[in-house]
Amino acid sequence: RKEVEQDPGPFNVPEGATVAFNCTYSNSASQSFFWYRQDCRKEPKLLMSVYSSGNEDGRFTAQLNRASQYISLLIRDSKLSDSATYLCVVNEKAGANNLFFGTGTRLTVIP
Amino acid sequence: ETGVTQTPRHLVMGMTNKKSLKCEQHLGHNAMYWYKQSAKKPLELMFVYSLEERVENNSVPSRFSPECPNSSHLFLHLHTLQPEDSALYLCASSQNSGGRQETQYFGPGTRLLVL
Repeated sequence: RKEVEQDPGPFNVPEGATVAFNCTYSNSASQSFFWYRQDCRKEPKLLMSVYSSGNEDGRFTAQLNRASQYISLLIRDSKLSDSATYLCVVNEKAGANNLFFGTGTRLTVIP
Repeated sequence: ETGVTQTPRHLVMGMTNKKSLKCEQHLGHNAMYWYKQSAKKPLELMFVYSLEERVENNSVPSRFSPECPNSSHLFLHLHTLQPEDSALYLCASSQNSGGRQETQYFGPGTRLLVL
């Protein structure tokens, strides 16, 4: 059983579209949650942390549903520069160093 | 961005070679990590060093040997690797304090090909 599961995509959307990704995690005791972005042949970079109350950063909105054990990322008004792989990341234990990564969801924004 | 640097960026080695990957972080962090990223698989944590002591070893084969001489440097020594070890090896660092893990910052990775 995978700790973190994501739809690998690819998601191909036109510029300006709204797109949403979901991610599920297996450990109900998981403590903290993140979305990372990874461009082709580059390293992952933190996009945003995901808080229980939900949080927004510009065009990006992250939500956490602990009861259903899923995390979502919504991107509004997609830009060409949003094309990347989006990694769902879960930290299962407070203070632990072990992050669990999903395989990532590939997004391509088309002109 | 040069917060976490890795060398070499690309490496081709035979199965009988010995090589080392180097990582250096310039962020003043107290924890460093090695990850393996293979095609179509999630990042796999290999080793964690916190305050220069190894705290996690996720059953990685002994042909991978980490070394953390100080809080800014991390090495991964490689010997008698197998073709299936070909992957992107990513180093990361973070500042962990008060039982709470902060964001991990990744280096650009070393793309390794084992022939």
